[in-house]
Amino acid sequence: GAVVSQHPSRVICKSGTSVKIECRSLDFQATTMFWYRQFPKQSLMLMATSNEGSKATYEQGVEKDKFLINHASLTLSTLTVTSAHPEDSSFYICSASPLGTSQETQYFGPGTRLLVL
Amino acid sequence: GENVEQHPSTLSVQEGDSAVIKCTYSDSASNYFPWYKQELGKRPQLIIDIRSNVGEKKDQRIAVTLNKTAKHFSLHITETQPEDSAVYFCAAISRSNDYKLSFGAGTTVTVRA
Repeated sequence: GAVVSQHPSRVICKSGTSVKIECRSLDFQATTMFWYRQFPKQSLMLMATSNEGSKATYEQGVEKDKFLINHASLTLSTLTVTSAHPEDSSFYICSASPLGTSQETQYFGPGTRLLVL
Repeated sequence: GENVEQHPSTLSVQEGDSAVIKCTYSDSASNYFPWYKQELGKRPQLIIDIRSNVGEKKDQRIAVTLNKTAKHFSLHITETQPEDSAVYFCAAISRSNDYKLSFGAGTTVTVRA
């Protein structure tokens, strides 16, 4: 079946540093990938929609200069949290829609737990 | 945009009993309604889904019903087992929201042995 991986699975960083999270579709190509943030005991909140070869579309309230998204290939999207602060600590989850399917079909990655000290 | 509300926020049931989670949505153009199960620290897993042209769908112990007129849909788990304990999220997709998933707030289900 369709597998999506994320790396790293967890990261601890100091305040002010940048962190890059990778999302890969391992056995399919994905024109669209999504980035979600989930705070403890809360739901998944869509941050941005990433399309291969074009700029990401950010949801209202999400700072595009703070959360840099790159989708350079059909199997890889990256999220960089720049100048991370403790309030950015969260569970970041990506999902990917296989090429040729509608966005209804989304396979989720295992998530990346970010802790900013 | 789409607004999905989910109730209850927590649900405790005795093993073997049924669990029901209800969701409402606001956008009449929504046409796809998936349900996800998420265990602590893990990814959401699709457990069942339903499209707007269907009123009910069943997969073993799990069933989902959809009432388009009232704009609500429900998840039913029968013969609950301890491994059903998790957080369950409903979601909806609408073309008017660029086909993005809108999630409910989640229901923490605890099955007591």
